[in-house]
Amino acid sequence: GDSVTQMEGPVTLSEEAFLTINCTYTATGYPSLFWYVQYPGEGLQLLLKATKADDKGSNKGFEATYRKETTSFHLEKGSVQVSDSAVYFCALSFSGTYKYIFGTGTRLKVLA
Amino acid sequence: DSGVTQTPKHLITATGQRVTLRCSPRSGDLSVYWYQQSLDQGLQFLIQYYNGEERAKGNILERFSAQQFPDLHSELNLSSLELGDSALYFCASSVGGLADSYEQYFGPGTRLTVT
Repeated sequence: GDSVTQMEGPVTLSEEAFLTINCTYTATGYPSLFWYVQYPGEGLQLLLKATKADDKGSNKGFEATYRKETTSFHLEKGSVQVSDSAVYFCALSFSGTYKYIFGTGTRLKVLA
Repeated sequence: DSGVTQTPKHLITATGQRVTLRCSPRSGDLSVYWYQQSLDQGLQFLIQYYNGEERAKGNILERFSAQQFPDLHSELNLSSLELGDSALYFCASSVGGLADSYEQYFGPGTRLTVT
C-alpha cells in the first residue's frame, strides 16, 4: 500500500552543520508531498510542499525536491540553527482522495 | 497560531472512564482530522470529517468515536479508557474535503493521561 518512510532519529548536529533528512514514499499514483515541523510543545505546521515531479519546495532555508525517479523528497538545509531543533514529518496526499499519510517523524537536535 | 483550537489542553483521568475532546477548526475550513501521537507509535490518523459527514477512517478503536456538528466544531469521545490511551491528541483542519494538495492546520493538542 501507499506509505512514507523517514530516516530514524534522533539526528544530532552542531550549529551551522548541513542537514539532510531522508524521506521516500511508495505510491500507486502521483501524490503531493509535504514536510511538516513540530516544535516542542506545539502542533505540526507546514514547512514546505511540492505538488508535482521536479518541483522544489522551500521555506526558512529548508528545501526539498520532488524526485519521481527515486520516489524521494529529502529535506535539506545548508546551515542549521539551535532553533531548528524539532520533529520533522514527511507526508503525502493524493488528489481526488481523502488519503493523507504521515511518516513517523525524525527528531532533530541542534547543539550550540 | 494556526487558528485551530482544542480544549482541554491537559486531561488526567482514570482507567475505565470516558472523556470528550473538543476541536474548533480554522474559520472557513470544512474538514476536521483527528490524530493520536504517542512516543512509540508516532502520528496515527484516526478519523476525518467533512462538513458534518465522516469521510475517512484510520486506526480508530471501537471505543473511540467522533462527530462534527453543524457549526463545524468536532468532538472526539474516548471511552473505557486504558493506560495505553495516554497520548497527545491533535485535531487538524483543511479547507477541502479531498486531500489534494491542501495544507492541514494543526491545533496545539490535548494531552491525555490515563492513570
